[in-house]
Amino acid sequence: GAGVSQSPSNKVTEKGKDVELRCDPISGHTALYWYRQSLGQGLEFLIYFQGNSAPDKSGLPSDRFSAERTGGSVSTLTIQRTQQEDSAVYLCASSPPRGLDTQYFGPGTRLTVL
Amino acid sequence: AQTVTQSQPEMSVQEAETVTLSCTYDTSESDYYLFWYKQPPSRQMILVIRQEAYKQQNATENRFSVNFQKAAKSFSLKISDSQLGDAAMYFCAEGFSSNTGKLIFGQGTTLQVKP
Repeated sequence: GAGVSQSPSNKVTEKGKDVELRCDPISGHTALYWYRQSLGQGLEFLIYFQGNSAPDKSGLPSDRFSAERTGGSVSTLTIQRTQQEDSAVYLCASSPPRGLDTQYFGPGTRLTVL
Repeated sequence: AQTVTQSQPEMSVQEAETVTLSCTYDTSESDYYLFWYKQPPSRQMILVIRQEAYKQQNATENRFSVNFQKAAKSFSLKISDSQLGDAAMYFCAEGFSSNTGKLIFGQGTTLQVKP
């Protein structure tokens, strides 16, 4: 079946602009995660959605970052007033509703803030 | 804070040889899971192997196996008969049943496979 998809693949923006990154999880997966990967670094947790529960936003680095998940499926990560330090690869992952299960990752969106 | 440490930023191995990537973690949780993910230049994170902490037997997936030393909080990955396609960045990660399931990642090890 189809894996996790993300769009756009690459995004170049100017400092101060807002950007939206999209994630389509695997069908039937109720858990959805956003991570950020800075150049040459490991992944940093940003936010987690599970079904209709309130999201875990504990990893969001500032109030310029927000995310929503519509209809329990597609998710959008929004970064307002982008800064150069926001440049990174943003990865989305989803997992089935069976407790702590393997997370399946999308190909990521590479964000470059000029 | 829970941390995962990969002390080898870069490793290299000759094709067909065996290489071991190191990972240590620091947690006080009793119920947790450990993962190795592979990230090729395409950026796609691919699950290599998974280990439940309550299982004593080391996980194995074809040419990939782990050495899980729970008391030492060590979780190394052994790649046997290395292939050119194994060249990638490898990440060790830890997840916990007590929280949302978010993963804590190490900094990664870049593996080069020489023909």
